[in-house]
Amino acid sequence: QVQLVQSGAEVKKPGASVVVSCKASGYTFTGHDINWVRQASGQGLEWMGWMHPNDDSTGYAPKFQGRVSITWNTSTSTVYLELGSLKSEDSAVYYCARKRAYTYGPDFDYWGQGTLVTVSS
Amino acid sequence: QSALSQPASVSGSPGQSITISCTGTSSDVGGYRFVSWYQQHPGKAPQLIIYEVSNRPSGVSYRFSGSKSGDTASLTISGLQAEDEADYYCISYTRSTALIFGGGTKLTVL
Repeated sequence: QVQLVQSGAEVKKPGASVVVSCKASGYTFTGHDINWVRQASGQGLEWMGWMHPNDDSTGYAPKFQGRVSITWNTSTSTVYLELGSLKSEDSAVYYCARKRAYTYGPDFDYWGQGTLVTVSS
Repeated sequence: QSALSQPASVSGSPGQSITISCTGTSSDVGGYRFVSWYQQHPGKAPQLIIYEVSNRPSGVSYRFSGSKSGDTASLTISGLQAEDEADYYCISYTRSTALIFGGGTKLTVL
């Protein structure tokens, strides 16, 4: 069965960077995009970016341009989200989500369990 | 880019129907049929309930339906049930090839 298993909770200081991983299993890794979405406590969902493993492309929300990076390792079916220059406002649960194949829209059919990132001095 | 506009909350009694709106611009909702809706229960990951404006994924109840007119997409839930109480989010493809969520709507089943 399809699973997205994310790394554990992180506590970081302002100005630091964090890397969250998302290990995919149960499907052909290169057949689906992975997107990252975050949610601050009590707040709404916020889209951060996507990766397209077939052509090695990525895209990021304008808000995060310059301090976010999505990378991956096809051999381990793992996607990584790195967010730098952390601020307290970056404290949130970070989710990875798989996009359905052969669609152009934001159709995410499987989600990771979420990773809590806390930014605090 | 601001989030798509959704009402903060809606409510309805069991058996009734409710509609949640999601308003954007011609650069997102109005320009594409790539609008999806997600349901999120407290402490859980979101679940896809509508894609490409009006399509339901396998396993999603027929009580959920979607539509779009101009720059506004809508989610309708008919025959409200207690288990429908959750937060609902729309998300749209945008001209800049980014994606943008709505602010979310809390549905209360009275």
